[in-house]
Amino acid sequence: NAGVTQTPKFRVLKTGQSMTLLCAQDMNHEYMYWYRQDPGMGLRLIHYSVGEGTTAKGEVPDGYNVSRLKKQNFLLGLESAAPSQTSVYFCASKFETGELFFGEGSRLTVL
Amino acid sequence: AQSVTQLDSQVPVFEEAPVELRCNYSSSVSVYLFWYVQYPNQGLQLLLKYLSGSTLVKGINGFEAEFNKSQTSFHLRKPSVHISDTAEYFCAVSLYNFNKFYFGSGTKLNVKP
Repeated sequence: NAGVTQTPKFRVLKTGQSMTLLCAQDMNHEYMYWYRQDPGMGLRLIHYSVGEGTTAKGEVPDGYNVSRLKKQNFLLGLESAAPSQTSVYFCASKFETGELFFGEGSRLTVL
Repeated sequence: AQSVTQLDSQVPVFEEAPVELRCNYSSSVSVYLFWYVQYPNQGLQLLLKYLSGSTLVKGINGFEAEFNKSQTSFHLRKPSVHISDTAEYFCAVSLYNFNKFYFGSGTKLNVKP
């Protein structure tokens, strides 16, 4: 089925470990986004990309890095995980009509 | 930066009753407005959007919203809710270039039998 696929769906890390979340979309969308969702805070934009090879910072970029080497993939990296990065991470891509299409989320726990 | 305010964090309502979920935004320029719904352990799905034209927008599952420019509001309504409408609802705003989207903190709708 067409859509946005996030891997892994669950991950537990120890403080200081690194990891990468992968987002893949098969809708040929130019724009892709990484958000984090925390209780009572809605969704906050971490980084976004307006096309292959380009990335930009969002509201809460510190502690994260991203790459968009291929149009269909948008990677979110944590170089040295901290407990404050415990969250649910959502990837989304954007239709030309404006709305976002979200993945099912990746739940990350940092101990 | 834009801000989106959803004043009600939780809204309890009985089945078949009407409901209104409130959303206000701050912007001095034209914006595009969206409502998304999130069911437990799922991603967000688009309910409806306002880009231009009629200020009353109809969406999926019987929801509708009205854009009020003077009050900078985009409240979501449904005349008769169902148990299956229990979910969290998010209002979102985007500026004219669609680069970024700003989300409210969400409203949890709890429909009781």
